[in-house]
Amino acid sequence: NAGVTQTPKFRVLKTGQSMTLLCAQDMNHEYMYWYRQDPGMGLRLIHYSVGEGTTAKGEVPDGYNVSRLKKQNFLLGLESAAPSQTSVYFCASSGQFSNEQFFGPGTRLTVL
Amino acid sequence: GEDVEQSLFLSVREGDSSVINCTYTDSSSTYLYWYKQEPGAGLQLLTYIFSNMDMKQDQRLTVLLNKKDKHLSLRIADTQTGDSAIYFCAESSHQGGKLIFGQGTELSVKP
Repeated sequence: NAGVTQTPKFRVLKTGQSMTLLCAQDMNHEYMYWYRQDPGMGLRLIHYSVGEGTTAKGEVPDGYNVSRLKKQNFLLGLESAAPSQTSVYFCASSGQFSNEQFFGPGTRLTVL
Repeated sequence: GEDVEQSLFLSVREGDSSVINCTYTDSSSTYLYWYKQEPGAGLQLLTYIFSNMDMKQDQRLTVLLNKKDKHLSLRIADTQTGDSAIYFCAESSHQGGKLIFGQGTELSVKP
């Protein structure tokens, strides 16, 4: 089992460009999450999903969109990247009745 | 809204005990967690505690919960250089639910 995987690992964008981050999990988990990690601020929840076809806003959703067309995949989109979106992005998944979220290795995004 | 606070840095000598502290504001928190992040990696769950417990011990790790003061601590006995990492406290109000994380405490273990 690969667990939670994220692609790409690194990306540099120019202001205004768009991109999609892909998260995949092979544990048949119902719940999936996107976080961003910034120095001194811990992890903040961007969007999450409690099942295929459903998504919800987290703490910092502005500037991001998500889709969960398949249970195993959770996509995070940036339509028009801004320097404030420079961050490390983590995807996580968990079972519906689990106390553990499993994290991917992260995507380091720089917006110039 | 919900808030979780941690001090940012802790430095200890190898072999000493480390105590990492966390406070939270949400009185409906049911589950409290400690995650570890090694450099360049994602987070790994170390341990968690239900809000109806005062203490949980797992090998070198001891978690203490003071629900009245909304204070959580993680004690690592016989700290090793391999314990150097960032430790995150997090809380959730139900199983499988979204987590609210603290800022993380960077633990530095000196030989």
